[in-house]
Amino acid sequence: RKEVEQDPGPFNVPEGATVAFNCTYSNSASQSFFWYRQDCRKEPKLLMSVYSSGNEDGRFTAQLNRASQYISLLIRDSKLSDSATYLCVVGLYNQGGKLIFGQGTELSVKP
Amino acid sequence: ETGVTQSPTHLIKTRGQQVTLRCSSQSGHNTVSWYQQALGQGPQFIFQYYREEENGRGNFPPRFSGLQFPNYSSELNVNALELDDSALYLCASSSAGGDRELFFGEGSRLTVL
Repeated sequence: RKEVEQDPGPFNVPEGATVAFNCTYSNSASQSFFWYRQDCRKEPKLLMSVYSSGNEDGRFTAQLNRASQYISLLIRDSKLSDSATYLCVVGLYNQGGKLIFGQGTELSVKP
Repeated sequence: ETGVTQSPTHLIKTRGQQVTLRCSSQSGHNTVSWYQQALGQGPQFIFQYYREEENGRGNFPPRFSGLQFPNYSSELNVNALELDDSALYLCASSSAGGDRELFFGEGSRLTVL
């Protein structure tokens, strides 16, 4: 079983749609949680950290359920510029700062 | 621009050769991590360096080795290259502390023939 698993993609949605990405992680010692965004053939960039209480940044909402070891990302009112691969990331800082990335879910927003 | 620079950007090697990839971290960052990203996969943690010492390692064989220098720049060395080593190698820098944001360079794309 992979340490971090994400929805297989790609997701193809029209502009303005709401899209949700799901992620599960296997290591209960995980301490930090993130969503990164990676544009085609570019480096990953931090989209947002994920906190237990849930957090929102504009059109983006992230949720964490530690009991279920589940992380989600909701994107409302999708824009063409949201097209990218979204990477779920879990931090194991008791293992020397190791960040575990999921395989990514590709999102394509169409006009 | 993250301030993290990697070189070379692209390179082609043959099986059995050795390669050295270089990374300059963002100013003020003392921690460097290296990741391998195969096509269609997420980045996989190779190792992390903090103040010139290896501070954690992923499931990579010993032929993957690294260094960090006093100016916090870093090298990734891979010996005895295999075809499966073909990937994008990403360097990420961060300040000390486990939950600090990683800033990635644009990567070095290695092709092994």
